[in-house]
Amino acid sequence: NAGVMQNPRHLVRRRGQEARLRCSPMKGHSHVYWYRQLPEEGLKFMVYLQKENIIDESGMPKERFSAEFPKEGPSILRIQQVVRGDSAAYFCASSPDQASANVLTFGAGSRLTVL
Amino acid sequence: QQPVQSPQAVILREGEDAVINCSSSKALYSVHWYRQKHGEAPVFLMILLKGGEQKGHEKISASFNEKKQQSSLYLTASQLSYSGTYFCGTYTNAGKSTFGDGTTLTVKP
Repeated sequence: NAGVMQNPRHLVRRRGQEARLRCSPMKGHSHVYWYRQLPEEGLKFMVYLQKENIIDESGMPKERFSAEFPKEGPSILRIQQVVRGDSAAYFCASSPDQASANVLTFGAGSRLTVL
Repeated sequence: QQPVQSPQAVILREGEDAVINCSSSKALYSVHWYRQKHGEAPVFLMILLKGGEQKGHEKISASFNEKKQQSSLYLTASQLSYSGTYFCGTYTNAGKSTFGDGTTLTVKP
């Protein structure tokens, strides 16, 4: 019974390139949440998605960042024209429904380094 | 508004006790606690739903005072394996969990 799967685990990009991070939720989970963790800091909410819907994107920077969760396939967090400040660990979490969103199962994270 | 955790860091010897506090300026629907080891994913420990509720996980327990909008995590007789960063999370009925900045616990032999 696989947990939340994230890939890549580590990603290195040069300034100005694009980063795509993927998240497959646990089996039976249709709600996905993305969090960003800067070095030595806490988990900052970015976006909450259901299949084909963005429910809450209040934590997403207004520019360069986008997220989707298509009907088929993983959720994708896309960062365009990356800058050094985007270097962080990006965690995806999933839950079976909104009522269970306070019991999150996290993936192992994707660590983005921008050179 | 994210919850506020205190202290920021704790250093203990094996067998000692620690308390980590979490408070919110907003009314709390529930509080949940996670532990994150360095370089790993946060792992769910427990959730508290009702005012005054207490729960336990191994020798880790927690309380939730709904009126005071506070929760405390109690670690008794600490083991080396307890080292990590502890996060409290608060949940809004909009489906979003907001986390505190974390408390780093170091247990030394």
